[in-house]
Amino acid sequence: AQRVTQPEKLLSVFKGAPVELKCNYSYSGSPELFWYVQYSRQRLQLLLRHISRESIKGFTADLNKGETSFHLKKPFAQEEDSAMYYCALSGNTPLVFGKGTRLSVIA
Amino acid sequence: ETGVTQSPTHLIKTRGQQVTLRCSSQSGHNTVSWYQQALGQGPQFIFQYYREEENGRGNFPPRFSGLQFPNYSSELNVNALELDDSALYLCASSLGQPSLNEKLFFGSGTQLSVL
Repeated sequence: AQRVTQPEKLLSVFKGAPVELKCNYSYSGSPELFWYVQYSRQRLQLLLRHISRESIKGFTADLNKGETSFHLKKPFAQEEDSAMYYCALSGNTPLVFGKGTRLSVIA
Repeated sequence: ETGVTQSPTHLIKTRGQQVTLRCSSQSGHNTVSWYQQALGQGPQFIFQYYREEENGRGNFPPRFSGLQFPNYSSELNVNALELDDSALYLCASSLGQPSLNEKLFFGSGTQLSVL
């Protein structure tokens, strides 16, 4: 079975501090991992996917198959990063989402 | 930018009734997926359609059914509504075949309340 775990419901950091949003997954095959973000009063949108290896808005995520993790990182948080972040996995079925982590960046 | 629209935005029904939610995908997007998002949870996959055929289904009972039309619109129908069906229902479309796992474009959702 495919499962995504985001252990933190809420993460508060100060502006300029590093951010790490944790994501662990369970899947026996080769997964595709994604991070989706929902800003206030906006719809859910793709932030990044591991196969593209892009850095979007300063965020990066590395797939660690040994630890079955796909943590989202940013070296210096900005106030506009405050949002709901969802980790998602695609294996042999369409996307399975985690429960999400709300990131609050404090000025 | 995404072009995915859902209607209505809010809906109130009573237990046992039937409901139809509608989605208009971005033009050219052949794949549409429906998700249920309960309060405090992540989106949960209901089913997916590709070129008007059901392509996959999540762990939802048969009273959840769907249709996809040639004009890139789709419907989610729920019969015999239960209180636990209260949730935000999201439609998401993508350009290519489902197996390509392409970027999903989400609508704003329909908030369904079952009393």
